[in-house]
Amino acid sequence: NAGVMQNPRHLVRRRGQEARLRCSPMKGHSHVYWYRQLPEEGLKFMVYLQKENIIDESGMPKERFSAEFPKEGPSILRIQQVVRGDSAAYFCASSGTAYEQYFGPGTRLTVT
Amino acid sequence: KQEVTQIPAALSVPEGENLVLNCSFTDSAIYNLQWFRQDPGKGLTSLLLIQSSQREQTSGRLNASLDKSSGRSTLYIAASQPGDSATYLCAAELMEYGNKLVFGAGTILRVKS
Repeated sequence: NAGVMQNPRHLVRRRGQEARLRCSPMKGHSHVYWYRQLPEEGLKFMVYLQKENIIDESGMPKERFSAEFPKEGPSILRIQQVVRGDSAAYFCASSGTAYEQYFGPGTRLTVT
Repeated sequence: KQEVTQIPAALSVPEGENLVLNCSFTDSAIYNLQWFRQDPGKGLTSLLLIQSSQREQTSGRLNASLDKSSGRSTLYIAASQPGDSATYLCAAELMEYGNKLVFGAGTILRVKS
């Protein structure tokens, strides 16, 4: 049973470009969470999704950020018009119920 | 504002020593508490999950306890090894905030050989 998969592992974007981060949950898991770890800061919740539904997006910045978890395929975190302050490690986690969350290796976004 | 606090922020111990990492949370209405390990530049590895109905969990040399009334959890590592060196994160799933995990800032552990 493969773990949570994220790609790309490293992503470099110039200011103003779009970043798309993908997350494939563990097999059988229907809950996906995105967290962000800014340099020298702790992990912060961004959004919680179930298939085709956003359950809680209270941690998402109001502009430029969006997330989806379609019926088929991975969950996508999309950042439009990236700025330097978006540089961070973005982690995806999945769970089969509302209990233990399993984390992926993360995508490290660098905005130049 | 609910918070999760970890003490100490950093810890350096000689190999073989037993050690305790502390985590406190401001809201006693807790679903679960999870301890993670994070190696530099890597993802998070789940170590132990304690559900609200439990008081402790054990895995190998690790033991985690949960005291909801005092809002505290401890992670005990027995006979520490250099390979235990990493950042240890405590995360609480608090009832007021649904299913999201609220993380502490972590304890950076260094075990010297």
